[in-house]
Amino acid sequence: AQKITQTQPGMFVQEKEAVTLDCTYDTSDPSYGLFWYKQPSSGEMIFLIYQGSYDQQNATEGRYSLNFQKARKSANLVISASQLGDSAMYFCAMRAVVDSNYQLIWGAGTKLIIKP
Amino acid sequence: DAGVIQSPRHEVTEMGQEVTLRCKPISGHNSLFWYRQTMMRGLELLIYFNNNVPIDDSGMPEDRFSAKMPNASFSTLKIQPSEPRDSAVYFCASSPRTGVNTEAFFGQGTRLTVV
Repeated sequence: AQKITQTQPGMFVQEKEAVTLDCTYDTSDPSYGLFWYKQPSSGEMIFLIYQGSYDQQNATEGRYSLNFQKARKSANLVISASQLGDSAMYFCAMRAVVDSNYQLIWGAGTKLIIKP
Repeated sequence: DAGVIQSPRHEVTEMGQEVTLRCKPISGHNSLFWYRQTMMRGLELLIYFNNNVPIDDSGMPEDRFSAKMPNASFSTLKIQPSEPRDSAVYFCASSPRTGVNTEAFFGQGTRLTVV
């Protein structure tokens, strides 16, 4: 079955430190996409970064990078030089074929709090 | 582009009343999703449309919920009659195409409170 697991319900990190948010996935399909979204306290869902299952290199977007380890089925989000504004919920999601349809499967999220 | 537009942003209604949530997807996007988010159950897919056609409504909780997409630029999610357990944030999202490499763009959400 298609599944996303985020094992860290919450994290506290000191400002300016790097953060790694864990995400593991389960799928038998060879073709899939992995996404990270940020949800600040204001509630909107903001797309951060994408990694395709066939991509050879880890995706990067500014301070965000995705540590993609295909054999381990993990897609951890790394935030470098964390800032107070990074405090938010972070969701990992996988786009894969479910019952012949492309669907986004979501993890439960990790609440990240950056301490000044 | 203005992004995905949802209305209203907040809705407070009494149990038993009909509630209609509205969504305008990003122009040119051919997939539209309705999600519900609660503390207890997280983010749940209710239904999604592809080219205005409902593809998967298995997430719709019960017959009180219905969704329509009469054209490419508008969708509604209706709850009739509403119950306190329907209180949640309802998100609409759209994607430009199908495929594993396509992210979903979310609206601001509608916070529904049923009292």
